[in-house]
Amino acid sequence: DQQVKQNSPSLSVQEGRISILNCDYTNSMFDYFLWYKKYPAEGPTFLISISSIKDKNEDGRFTVFLNKSAKHLSLHIVPSQPGDSAVYFCAASAGGAGSYQLTFGKGTKLSVIP
Amino acid sequence: KAGVTQTPRYLIKTRGQQVTLSCSPISGHRSVSWYQQTPGQGLQFLFEYFSETQRNKGNFPGRFSGRQFSNSRSEMNVSTLELGDSALYLCASSLGGGRSSYEQYFGPGTRLTVT
Repeated sequence: DQQVKQNSPSLSVQEGRISILNCDYTNSMFDYFLWYKKYPAEGPTFLISISSIKDKNEDGRFTVFLNKSAKHLSLHIVPSQPGDSAVYFCAASAGGAGSYQLTFGKGTKLSVIP
Repeated sequence: KAGVTQTPRYLIKTRGQQVTLSCSPISGHRSVSWYQQTPGQGLQFLFEYFSETQRNKGNFPGRFSGRQFSNSRSEMNVSTLELGDSALYLCASSLGGGRSSYEQYFGPGTRLTVT
């Protein structure tokens, strides 16, 4: 039973265009959401997060949108750069329920084409 | 500030053996979590330690255990290794109090191969 789903295993985008990565979740107890970026042979790197009390959070080229009613979040990268090519993981936590463990999606491999 | 460090980076063991992995968190971080990453299952939560106590545990058999020391360093042990334990084991640290626990910072991982 996958509580966090990233339905697109891969995504290709031209350099300079927008990359949109999507994530759906099923557990309504999740109250904090995070995006991580992972290069091969490295651990995931924290990118950006959003609390369930917000619907948008922005940090430079990265923006995360949360639609609680649809249990959906997305990560927008504008403009996309070749260095953004990596696997992106969506993660969720139900800290309000006393557990800070992260539940991860299976990742989306983003390729930014120069 | 130094990041999360994990040792060793690579390990090859035989079925039936046991293994201990080590993790040093970011200075000042009191919470350490462990995750297993496999191609089929993705990243799965093993357990979390805070102030030397296990605070949360995932759905893994009792062969997987851990501990945390007073300096927040953590070790993870897997006994009676099985082929299916071959994976990348990731350690993550966070400040550990309230909302600061959400944002976890990962080490590079230990790649364990069981033959």
